[in-house]
Amino acid sequence: QKEVEQNSGPLSVPEGAIASLNCTYSDRVSQSFFWYRQYSGKSPELIMSIYSNGDKEDGRFTAQLNKASQYVSLLIRDSQPSDSATYLCAVVYNFNKFYFGSGTKLNVKP
Amino acid sequence: DGGITQSPKYLFRKEGQNVTLSCEQNLNHDAMYWYRQDPGQGLRLIYYSQIVNDFQKGDIAEGYSVSREKKESFPLTVTSAQKNPTAFYLCASRGQVEETQYFGPGTRLLVL
Repeated sequence: QKEVEQNSGPLSVPEGAIASLNCTYSDRVSQSFFWYRQYSGKSPELIMSIYSNGDKEDGRFTAQLNKASQYVSLLIRDSQPSDSATYLCAVVYNFNKFYFGSGTKLNVKP
Repeated sequence: DGGITQSPKYLFRKEGQNVTLSCEQNLNHDAMYWYRQDPGQGLRLIYYSQIVNDFQKGDIAEGYSVSREKKESFPLTVTSAQKNPTAFYLCASRGQVEETQYFGPGTRLLVL
Protein backbone atom coordinates (compact mmCIF):
# COMPACT_ATOMS: atom_id res chain seq x y z
CA GLN A 1 0.00 0.00 0.00
CA LYS A 2 1.39 3.34 -1.02
CA GLU A 3 1.25 5.99 1.69
CA VAL A 4 0.45 9.64 1.12
CA GLU A 5 0.38 11.65 4.32
CA GLN A 6 -1.15 15.05 4.95
CA ASN A 7 -1.88 16.96 8.11
CA SER A 8 -5.66 16.95 8.40
CA GLY A 9 -5.79 20.44 9.89
CA PRO A 10 -7.73 22.58 10.03
CA LEU A 11 -5.13 25.12 9.02
CA SER A 12 -6.37 28.61 9.79
CA VAL A 13 -4.79 31.68 8.18
CA PRO A 14 -5.94 35.29 7.98
CA GLU A 15 -6.99 36.77 4.68
CA GLY A 16 -3.99 37.96 2.69
CA ALA A 17 -1.53 35.61 4.40
CA ILE A 18 0.43 32.73 2.89
CA ALA A 19 -1.01 29.25 3.44
CA SER A 20 1.46 26.37 3.37
CA LEU A 21 0.18 22.84 2.81
CA ASN A 22 2.45 19.81 3.05
CA CYS A 23 2.43 16.23 1.80
CA THR A 24 4.83 13.32 2.18
CA TYR A 25 4.80 10.06 0.25
CA SER A 26 6.33 6.67 0.82
CA ASP A 27 7.50 5.38 -2.56
CA ARG A 28 10.64 6.82 -4.11
CA VAL A 29 9.63 5.76 -7.63
CA SER A 30 6.66 8.12 -7.66
CA GLN A 31 6.57 10.00 -10.93
CA SER A 32 3.93 12.70 -10.81
CA PHE A 33 2.29 14.81 -8.17
CA PHE A 34 -0.95 16.75 -8.11
CA TRP A 35 -2.81 19.13 -5.84
CA TYR A 36 -6.60 19.15 -5.93
CA ARG A 37 -9.03 21.45 -4.13
CA GLN A 38 -12.30 20.04 -2.85
CA TYR A 39 -15.14 22.18 -1.54
CA SER A 40 -17.52 20.55 0.90
CA GLY A 41 -19.90 18.18 -0.90
CA LYS A 42 -18.22 18.70 -4.28
CA SER A 43 -15.76 16.74 -6.38
CA PRO A 44 -12.03 17.53 -6.48
CA GLU A 45 -10.77 20.08 -8.99
CA LEU A 46 -7.20 20.26 -10.20
CA ILE A 47 -5.03 23.12 -8.98
CA MET A 48 -1.55 22.14 -10.06
CA SER A 49 0.66 19.33 -11.24
CA ILE A 50 4.41 19.01 -10.72
CA TYR A 51 6.80 16.43 -12.11
CA SER A 52 10.37 17.58 -11.40
CA ASN A 53 12.25 18.89 -8.38
CA GLY A 54 11.92 22.56 -7.60
CA ASP A 55 9.15 25.12 -7.70
CA LYS A 56 6.30 25.60 -10.13
CA GLU A 57 4.22 28.75 -9.99
CA ASP A 58 0.72 29.41 -11.33
CA GLY A 59 -0.83 32.68 -10.24
CA ARG A 60 -1.16 32.71 -6.46
CA PHE A 61 -0.21 29.03 -6.21
CA THR A 62 3.28 27.55 -5.98
CA ALA A 63 3.97 23.82 -5.86
CA GLN A 64 7.28 22.62 -4.48
CA LEU A 65 8.73 19.15 -4.99
CA ASN A 66 11.70 17.51 -3.27
CA LYS A 67 12.01 13.90 -4.41
CA ALA A 68 15.03 13.20 -2.19
CA SER A 69 12.97 14.06 0.89
CA GLN A 70 9.77 12.60 -0.65
CA TYR A 71 7.97 15.82 0.04
CA VAL A 72 5.62 18.01 -1.95
CA SER A 73 4.02 21.24 -0.81
CA LEU A 74 1.56 23.87 -1.98
CA LEU A 75 1.85 27.55 -1.12
CA ILE A 76 -1.12 29.86 -1.55
CA ARG A 77 -0.20 33.54 -1.54
CA ASP A 78 -2.66 36.32 -0.67
CA SER A 79 -5.12 33.76 0.69
CA GLN A 80 -8.79 34.56 0.14
CA PRO A 81 -11.89 33.30 1.98
CA SER A 82 -12.82 31.54 -1.28
CA ASP A 83 -9.68 29.41 -0.86
CA SER A 84 -11.29 27.77 2.19
CA ALA A 85 -11.57 24.11 1.20
CA THR A 86 -9.89 20.75 1.65
CA TYR A 87 -6.70 20.30 -0.35
CA LEU A 88 -5.83 16.81 -1.55
CA CYS A 89 -2.35 15.69 -2.49
CA ALA A 90 -2.17 12.93 -5.13
CA VAL A 91 0.82 10.82 -6.11
CA VAL A 92 0.97 8.74 -9.28
CA TYR A 93 2.65 5.36 -9.56
CA ASN A 94 3.24 3.50 -12.82
CA PHE A 95 1.39 6.17 -14.80
CA ASN A 96 -1.96 4.61 -13.98
CA LYS A 97 -2.67 4.55 -10.28
CA PHE A 98 -3.29 7.66 -8.23
CA TYR A 99 -2.98 7.59 -4.45
CA PHE A 100 -4.56 10.39 -2.48
CA GLY A 101 -3.85 11.79 0.94
CA SER A 102 -6.72 12.36 3.33
CA GLY A 103 -6.54 16.10 2.72
CA THR A 104 -5.81 19.25 4.69
CA LYS A 105 -8.72 21.51 5.53
CA LEU A 106 -7.86 25.19 5.06
CA ASN A 107 -9.85 28.02 6.68
CA VAL A 108 -9.10 31.55 5.51
CA LYS A 109 -10.54 34.07 7.95
CA PRO A 110 -11.70 37.47 6.66
CA ASP B 1 -20.14 21.03 -23.38
CA GLY B 2 -17.35 18.53 -22.62
CA GLY B 3 -16.90 16.78 -19.34
CA ILE B 4 -17.76 13.90 -17.08
CA THR B 5 -21.28 13.24 -15.90
CA GLN B 6 -22.42 11.01 -13.08
CA SER B 7 -25.93 9.96 -12.22
CA PRO B 8 -27.84 9.95 -10.06
CA LYS B 9 -26.65 12.66 -7.70
CA TYR B 10 -28.16 10.77 -4.74
CA LEU B 11 -28.91 7.06 -4.58
CA PHE B 12 -30.64 5.08 -1.89
CA ARG B 13 -30.00 1.38 -1.49
CA LYS B 14 -32.04 -1.13 0.41
CA GLU B 15 -30.28 -3.95 2.20
CA GLY B 16 -29.51 -6.83 -0.16
CA GLN B 17 -30.02 -4.74 -3.26
CA ASN B 18 -27.57 -4.17 -6.11
CA VAL B 19 -27.38 -0.63 -7.45
CA THR B 20 -25.56 0.81 -10.46
CA LEU B 21 -23.89 4.20 -10.65
CA SER B 22 -23.49 5.77 -14.06
CA CYS B 23 -20.38 7.54 -15.37
CA GLU B 24 -20.14 9.02 -18.87
CA GLN B 25 -17.41 11.14 -20.44
CA ASN B 26 -17.16 12.93 -23.79
CA LEU B 27 -13.52 13.93 -23.45
CA ASN B 28 -12.31 11.02 -25.61
CA HIS B 29 -10.25 9.81 -22.65
CA ASP B 30 -8.95 6.24 -22.64
CA ALA B 31 -8.63 5.70 -18.88
CA MET B 32 -11.47 5.84 -16.39
CA TYR B 33 -11.50 5.39 -12.62
CA TRP B 34 -13.88 4.85 -9.73
CA TYR B 35 -13.09 6.12 -6.24
CA ARG B 36 -14.83 5.97 -2.93
CA GLN B 37 -14.57 8.81 -0.39
CA ASP B 38 -15.65 8.47 3.22
CA PRO B 39 -16.07 11.51 5.50
CA GLY B 40 -12.75 13.08 6.45
CA GLN B 41 -10.80 10.68 4.28
CA GLY B 42 -9.06 10.76 0.95
CA LEU B 43 -10.07 8.92 -2.19
CA ARG B 44 -9.64 5.17 -2.38
CA LEU B 45 -9.43 3.42 -5.75
CA ILE B 46 -12.12 0.82 -6.46
CA TYR B 47 -11.55 -0.07 -10.13
CA TYR B 48 -9.87 1.43 -13.14
CA SER B 49 -9.90 0.81 -16.86
CA GLN B 50 -7.26 1.82 -19.38
CA ILE B 51 -9.05 0.64 -22.53
CA VAL B 52 -12.41 -0.71 -23.62
CA ASN B 53 -13.20 -4.25 -22.46
CA ASP B 54 -10.40 -4.21 -19.90
CA PHE B 55 -10.35 -3.17 -16.23
CA GLN B 56 -8.30 -3.79 -13.09
CA LYS B 57 -9.11 -3.97 -9.41
CA GLY B 58 -8.03 -1.15 -7.19
CA ASP B 59 -7.38 -1.32 -3.47
CA ILE B 60 -11.00 -1.82 -2.34
CA ALA B 61 -12.71 -3.77 -5.14
CA GLU B 62 -14.53 -6.29 -2.96
CA GLY B 63 -18.30 -5.88 -3.22
CA TYR B 64 -18.10 -3.86 -6.44
CA SER B 65 -18.17 -4.70 -10.14
CA VAL B 66 -17.64 -2.69 -13.33
CA SER B 67 -17.88 -3.00 -17.10
CA ARG B 68 -16.27 -1.06 -19.94
CA GLU B 69 -18.17 -1.87 -23.12
CA LYS B 70 -17.81 1.63 -24.56
CA LYS B 71 -15.03 4.16 -24.32
CA GLU B 72 -17.43 6.79 -23.02
CA SER B 73 -19.02 4.74 -20.25
CA PHE B 74 -17.77 3.05 -17.07
CA PRO B 75 -20.68 2.04 -14.80
CA LEU B 76 -20.09 0.83 -11.25
CA THR B 77 -22.35 -1.72 -9.55
CA VAL B 78 -22.43 -1.81 -5.79
CA THR B 79 -23.46 -5.35 -4.93
CA SER B 80 -25.15 -6.71 -1.83
CA ALA B 81 -21.75 -8.10 -0.82
CA GLN B 82 -20.60 -4.55 -0.02
CA LYS B 83 -21.70 -4.31 3.60
CA ASN B 84 -20.83 -0.66 4.18
CA PRO B 85 -21.64 1.14 0.92
CA THR B 86 -22.54 4.55 2.32
CA ALA B 87 -20.02 6.95 0.78
CA PHE B 88 -19.39 9.58 -1.89
CA TYR B 89 -18.49 7.89 -5.19
CA LEU B 90 -16.35 9.71 -7.70
CA CYS B 91 -15.65 8.83 -11.31
CA ALA B 92 -12.60 10.24 -13.09
CA SER B 93 -10.99 10.03 -16.50
CA ARG B 94 -7.57 10.67 -17.95
CA GLY B 95 -6.29 11.19 -21.48
CA GLN B 96 -3.62 9.05 -23.10
CA VAL B 97 -0.90 11.68 -23.02
CA GLU B 98 -1.48 13.86 -19.99
CA GLU B 99 -1.61 12.30 -16.55
CA THR B 100 -4.14 14.67 -15.03
CA GLN B 101 -7.36 13.10 -13.84
CA TYR B 102 -10.60 15.01 -14.15
CA PHE B 103 -13.52 14.21 -11.90
CA GLY B 104 -17.25 14.00 -12.35
CA PRO B 105 -19.61 15.65 -9.83
CA GLY B 106 -20.03 12.48 -7.77
CA THR B 107 -22.85 10.26 -6.51
CA ARG B 108 -23.75 10.07 -2.85
CA LEU B 109 -24.95 6.59 -1.90
CA LEU B 110 -27.03 6.12 1.22
CA VAL B 111 -28.41 2.96 2.76
CA LEU B 112 -32.04 2.82 3.86
